[in-house]
Amino acid sequence: ETGVTQTPRHLVMGMTNKKSLKCEQHLGHNAMYWYKQSAKKPLELMFVYSLEERVENNSVPSRFSPECPNSSHLFLHLHTLQPEDSALYLCASSRGTDSNYGYTFGSGTRLTVV
Amino acid sequence: AQSVTQPDIHITVSEGASLELRCNYSYGATPYLFWYVQSPGQGLQLLLKYFSGDTLVQGIKGFEAEFKRSQSSFNLRKPSVHWSDAAEYFCAVGAGAGNNRKLIWGLGTSLAVNP
Repeated sequence: ETGVTQTPRHLVMGMTNKKSLKCEQHLGHNAMYWYKQSAKKPLELMFVYSLEERVENNSVPSRFSPECPNSSHLFLHLHTLQPEDSALYLCASSRGTDSNYGYTFGSGTRLTVV
Repeated sequence: AQSVTQPDIHITVSEGASLELRCNYSYGATPYLFWYVQSPGQGLQLLLKYFSGDTLVQGIKGFEAEFKRSQSSFNLRKPSVHWSDAAEYFCAVGAGAGNNRKLIWGLGTSLAVNP
């Protein structure tokens, strides 16, 4: 039990599809994150939400659209993706946006764009 | 520039052997250092962290790490490796201050354990 649940675990989508990734935490954390993990690259921070407000967007293409309806849920809406977007997408949460709190990660969604 | 280097991409050890995973960082201020582990098919889990004080820090699962400022290193160690330790290990440094502090990640070291 990691405390952060991501669905689906695996997703295959065409470049013209629209899909959404879901993340849920019931740890009482105030900050939530989307990370992209690709082979041979450092973890890439995509978005940061603090108390449901987006506080960081690291130059992520607009084909990725996050949504945080409440402090427990985080979504990543996907549309018109490219094959290079294939990766493991990790959600994380923490008590606050200071990285010293430590992050709790979900198991990730393995995304394949065909 | 701020960076984290994990020189070993892949390491194989025998079960019961000792382990040391290397991590070097480049950061101008006092570093906040972390080790995370990612088991196959899982997300990352915090193993241990160093903020200040004793340079030898203990973590979960029998791991420890030593901060050496003179060498800009934060190497992870375990005296006796178990097969369940096979995983990807990531070193990270916290860059910035307060609520703006973010993690800079290394590329990871993949650990295989032979029976």
